[in-house]
Parts: sequence; C-alpha cells; structure tokens
Amino acid sequence: QQQVKQSPQSLIVQKGGISIINCAYENTAFDYFPWYQQFPGKGPALLIAIRPDVSEKKEGRFTISFNKSAKQFSLHIMDSQPGDSATYFCAASSSGSARQLTFGSGTQLTVLP
Amino acid sequence: GAVVSQHPSWVICKSGTSVKIECRSLDFQATTMFWYRQFPKQSLMLMATSNEGSKATYEQGVEKDKFLINHASLTLSTLTVTSAHPEDSSFYICSAPGGWGGRRGTQYFGPGTRLTVL
Repeated sequence: QQQVKQSPQSLIVQKGGISIINCAYENTAFDYFPWYQQFPGKGPALLIAIRPDVSEKKEGRFTISFNKSAKQFSLHIMDSQPGDSATYFCAASSSGSARQLTFGSGTQLTVLP
Repeated sequence: GAVVSQHPSWVICKSGTSVKIECRSLDFQATTMFWYRQFPKQSLMLMATSNEGSKATYEQGVEKDKFLINHASLTLSTLTVTSAHPEDSSFYICSAPGGWGGRRGTQYFGPGTRLTVL
C-alpha cells in the first residue's frame, strides 16, 4: 500500500533526447508527488512536484505527467544534457503523514554527449 | 528556497565509538525532521521521524537505542550513532518539510553525511 514503484532502473539517452521515467503508486491518500535529483555524494534536490488536481506541470525542460485514475506519474526531461546525468527519485506523500515521503527505487540517468 | 544543512559532511571513526550528526534548518522552523540512510546505488530508507519536544518515531527494524535522535529546537535535530560498527557505514541524510519559510508540502534535504566506520 505504501510502495512507489519506479522504472526503469537505469536509462541511457543521447544528448538532446527525451528522458522518461515512470512511477506508479497504490495509496490513494497520496496527494503530493515530487521528483528529486541526486548527484553522487550529495543530498536529493527537489526538481519538480505535482498535486493530483492537475494532469501536467512543466518547469523549463522538466515536465510531470500525472494520471490519477491509473495512479501513475512520470518525469519527462526534454533536450537532455550531460549535466542531467544523475539519479532521479520519484516520491509521494500525504498530508496526513506529516509529509513523510515514500520514495521510488531510483533511476540512474546517463546522458551521452 | 529553504536550506537544510548537515554537519559534518563526512566522518571516519573507529568501531565502538559514537558519532553525532547535526541537521539544521537555516531559514525556516521545522517541528518535524526526517532521518534517512542510503546505501550505494540504493534508494533512501527512512530511519526515523524527529519531533521537536517529544520522542522520535522509529521505523520498523531501526534500533532506537543505537540511533539516538534529539530534536532540541525548531531548527536543530541530531542523530547519534552509538557504538558504531562497520555495518553502520552509510550515507545519512536529513530532511525537513517546508512550512513557514518554505512551500507547504515541500521537503528540503540536507547535503548528507558520509559515515565510515573502520
């Protein structure tokens, strides 16, 4: 019930390509879905987040698509750059849990120059 | 945006010693902070929820006598790894939910502390 399933585990994309990472959840109480970017040896940094009242949110090259009925959400990175190479985590939380995050397993993204 | 700091950023200690890690919210107050442990190439595993003015809540399987948490003020939580052993070597990360100073619902993470126990 608390799991957030993330795929793929690793992703290799050419520079300028589109990177797509998918997540699925089961707990319908989740009402906040952030994506975090983590570089080696660093803490996760918030990239973009969405709430279930919208189906899409775009910030620069990063877009979240959200499908409430399917309980799925995805991160799209347009015009991927080598500097985007990092590990990406999706997460979910509910207002009733003091914003405790449930994380996906992570996706190691490599953008080739 | 809101900033969370951790100190130290890395520490090496001998087996059997205790290590204290500090987590501070620099420009906002946090009645709740979270402590995570992350092993190489793995996701973040929640260890405990630190509550200001009350006892921490530990996740199943986390020894509360080994990982002591003290949330002394609205901007400071500490994690003490007592009698550390090599298997405690990991990357420890804290986070705090944005509230008064941050966007509600957002969690801000510290830069992490790399603990190596020899």
